[in-house]
Amino acid sequence: GNSVTQMEGPVTLSEEAFLTINCTYTATGYPSLFWYVQYPGEGLQLLLKATKADDKGSNKGFEATYRKETTSFHLEKGSVQVSDSAVYFCALSDGIQGAQKLVFGQGTRLTINP
Amino acid sequence: DAGVIQSPRHEVTEMGQEVTLRCKPISGHDYLFWYRQTMMRGLELLIYFNNNVPIDDSGMPEDRFSAKMPNASFSTLKIQPSEPRDSAVYFCASSLIGGFGSPQHFGDGTRLSIL
Repeated sequence: GNSVTQMEGPVTLSEEAFLTINCTYTATGYPSLFWYVQYPGEGLQLLLKATKADDKGSNKGFEATYRKETTSFHLEKGSVQVSDSAVYFCALSDGIQGAQKLVFGQGTRLTINP
Repeated sequence: DAGVIQSPRHEVTEMGQEVTLRCKPISGHDYLFWYRQTMMRGLELLIYFNNNVPIDDSGMPEDRFSAKMPNASFSTLKIQPSEPRDSAVYFCASSLIGGFGSPQHFGDGTRLSIL
């Protein structure tokens, strides 16, 4: 079945550091790919998405490119801020027959120190 | 616009009691999802509905769990009887039909503690 694997956390960085959170997937067909962010005490929020190969999703300085050849969707940000501290989830949607099921990775906790 | 609304935000109850979690999806959304989040198992999809009809309940852990969606603006997740291992954060999410790429919008969750 479909699955998503994220790099294990927690990840701790200093403010203004470069961030990469790795995400690889296994899927049949052509899934859509998502990054969600969860701040403490809140639900998940969509951060960015990509629906086909070579698409780049971007939002709030974060970027991720849909790489079909490597089945990856790594999240990057050039200069992180303390406010980026959260848990980040990579997910795919198989979209089979109109279904909108999401398969999530295990999440990566990010802490940014001032 | 109002997002997905869940109630209660926190619930503490004793083992054996019935627990009912409530969700109001975003108006106009066709899909509704119930998830459970724990440290050990991460985020698990329990059940989802399309146009108020349950489509896939394969994630519901056992017969103690049931979910209903009597109309487009309300859904419940019920646990009866509750057990300590049901302690988790339960999320409801909704989305629009629209093929690939339609994002899910999550509520803030219900933190459930079974003593």
